[in-house]
Amino acid sequence: GNSVTQMEGPVTLSEEAFLTINCTYTATGYPSLFWYVQYPGEGLQLLLKATKADDKGSNKGFEATYRKETTSFHLEKGSVQVSDSAVYFCALSLSNFGNEKLTFGTGTRLTIIP
Amino acid sequence: EADIYQTPRYLVIGTGKKITLECSQTMGHDKMYWYQQDPGMELHLIHYSYGVNSTEKGDLSSESTVSRIRTEHFPLTLESARPSHTSQYLCASSPLAGYYEQYFGPGTRLTVT
Repeated sequence: GNSVTQMEGPVTLSEEAFLTINCTYTATGYPSLFWYVQYPGEGLQLLLKATKADDKGSNKGFEATYRKETTSFHLEKGSVQVSDSAVYFCALSLSNFGNEKLTFGTGTRLTIIP
Repeated sequence: EADIYQTPRYLVIGTGKKITLECSQTMGHDKMYWYQQDPGMELHLIHYSYGVNSTEKGDLSSESTVSRIRTEHFPLTLESARPSHTSQYLCASSPLAGYYEQYFGPGTRLTVT
């Protein structure tokens, strides 16, 4: 079946540090890949997406590249801010004749210290 | 502004009460979903719908029920709340076509005492 494995948290970084959150996937076919972010007390927001191999999704300084050869979609940011403190979810979706569902990773909690 | 709404945001209720969690979206999306999020953050799909009069059970068994009488409305009902139902409930929607990303509401945090 389809699955997403992401970096165990929690992750704690100092402000302006470089961030990487690893995400790898298993899927039968060619999935679309997503990163969602959940700020405290809120629902999930779509952060970025990539729909085919070698695509790079980017938003708010975050980037992730769809790597088919390593089945990975790692999230990166060059200089994190306190406001980036949140839970980050990697997810995939596959076309399934209208029966598409998202498969989520378990989430990685990120805390940025001033 | 197109959006997805959930009410109430927070609910504390006693055991045995019947509750309905509301979810509405103004984006014209055909597909809607309910997730239960446990304290460890993991998301579990409990119900989904691909249109009016369509409802399906998700990957995690739930004692809740849902209905889809109008495209924009997807309420979730618990006939008799129990402490084990204490959780965060997230509603989402997505268009019929596209790359299958989902758009989430702010969530309802339910506590059953």
